[in-house]
Amino acid sequence: AQRVTQPEKLLSVFKGAPVELKCNYSYSGSPELFWYVQYSRQRLQLLLRHISRESIKGFTADLNKGETSFHLKKPFAQEEDSAMYYCALEFSSGSARQLTFGSGTQLTVLP
Amino acid sequence: ETGVTQTPRHLVMGMTNKKSLKCEQHLGHNAMYWYKQSAKKPLELMFVYSLEERVENNSVPSRFSPECPNSSHLFLHLHTLQPEDSALYLCASSQGQGNEQYFGPGTRLTVT
Repeated sequence: AQRVTQPEKLLSVFKGAPVELKCNYSYSGSPELFWYVQYSRQRLQLLLRHISRESIKGFTADLNKGETSFHLKKPFAQEEDSAMYYCALEFSSGSARQLTFGSGTQLTVLP
Repeated sequence: ETGVTQTPRHLVMGMTNKKSLKCEQHLGHNAMYWYKQSAKKPLELMFVYSLEERVENNSVPSRFSPECPNSSHLFLHLHTLQPEDSALYLCASSQGQGNEQYFGPGTRLTVT
C-alpha cells in the first residue's frame, strides 16, 4: 500500500541556516510527489511538485527513487518559512487519482 | 468570493443531529474532494468527485454522505455522528485529477 512518512513532527532552525524536511514514501508504481504548505491562519496550498523541477520560495525537492525520498530543502531559512509542511504522494486507485499525505512537519525558523 | 469556500466554518452538533457541510469553488474546476484532518492523524481523503460523479469512496462510514449537484458545489451530509468524527473537514478542487489541488479553509466540526 502507498504511504508517506515524515519522521519529524517538529523542526526548529535559526534564520539563515539550511533546512531539510524529510519525506519518504512507499509506492509500487511511478510516484508523483508534492509538497504542500500551510502558513499560520492560511489554507493549505501547493508549494512544489517534483514533476515541475522548479524552486519555489527558495525551496527545492529532488525525487530519489533509490532511497524512496523526496526531501524538501532550502539553503538559508527565513522566518516567514515557519509553517506546517506536508509531503504528499499521488497514486491511481481505480479511475481516481488520489493524494495521500504525510503527517506533516511543523517548521519554526528562529530569529 | 474567489477560490474555494466552505460553510459553516465551525459546527457543533449532537450525535442525533443531521447537518450538512457546504463547499463551493469559483475556479472552474471539474474535480472536488473531501478530506478529514484529525488532531493526531494525517490528512485523509474521504471522497473524490470528477465531473460530478463520485469516483472514490475511501471506506468512509455511511453516516457521511456526499453530494455533488454540479461542478461548483459539494456537500457532505452528516447524520448520527460519533465524537471521534470531530475534526477539521477540508474541501479541495482541481482541474482534472492529478493536478494541483486548491483547498478551502475547512469546517471545524465538534460532535458532542
